[in-house]
Amino acid sequence: NAGVTQTPKFQVLKTGQSMTLQCAQDMNHEYMSWYRQDPGMGLRLIHYSVGAGITDQGEVPNGYNVSRSTTEDFPLRLLSAAPSQTSVYFCASSRHGGGLSSYNSPLHFGNGTRLTVT
Amino acid sequence: KQEVTQIPAALSVPEGENLVLNCSFTDSAIYNLQWFRQDPGKGLTSLLLIQSSQREQTSGRLNASLDKSSGRSTLYIAASQPGDSATYLCAVMNTGFQKLVFGTGTRLLVSP
Repeated sequence: NAGVTQTPKFQVLKTGQSMTLQCAQDMNHEYMSWYRQDPGMGLRLIHYSVGAGITDQGEVPNGYNVSRSTTEDFPLRLLSAAPSQTSVYFCASSRHGGGLSSYNSPLHFGNGTRLTVT
Repeated sequence: KQEVTQIPAALSVPEGENLVLNCSFTDSAIYNLQWFRQDPGKGLTSLLLIQSSQREQTSGRLNASLDKSSGRSTLYIAASQPGDSATYLCAVMNTGFQKLVFGTGTRLLVSP
């Protein structure tokens, strides 16, 4: 049981390049999300999904796209990288996707992708 | 807008000491509060989740309390060990359910 797997671990991009951060979970979790972590700012939600085919914006969605074609995968696309997107990106999942009781399930995180945009 | 604050930002204690980490939040309309641990270069690991109707949760040497009306939670670590050294983050889930709002964490160092 691998949990939440993120690839790559590290990436360097030039301004204007595009790329996709991969996230996969093998726990059959309905809820998946992407956060970015910046020094002094905590974790901020970029996009989230409550099930296959459903996505929504978080606090800081600009410059990022997501899709959820399967329960297992939730890739994050950077359309045109900017230095302001230099950060550590975390994918997280949990069981909840519907029903009040399921919201009290803990969030499971991947080990992160450290992205530098020059 | 929900804001989560953790004080202190860093804490250094000798091994064996009992310690308390603090978390405060501005909007008491929360569904739950979660405590996480983050080791350097790693993701977050869930430690404890307290539902809004609960007052505390315990796991081993960890005890987390919640006072929703005053917007506060504490994480108590008993008999600290060097392996407890990490950054501890708290996060609240608002009654909109869809996202957690995180604090910036307390970096804990336990010296042998």
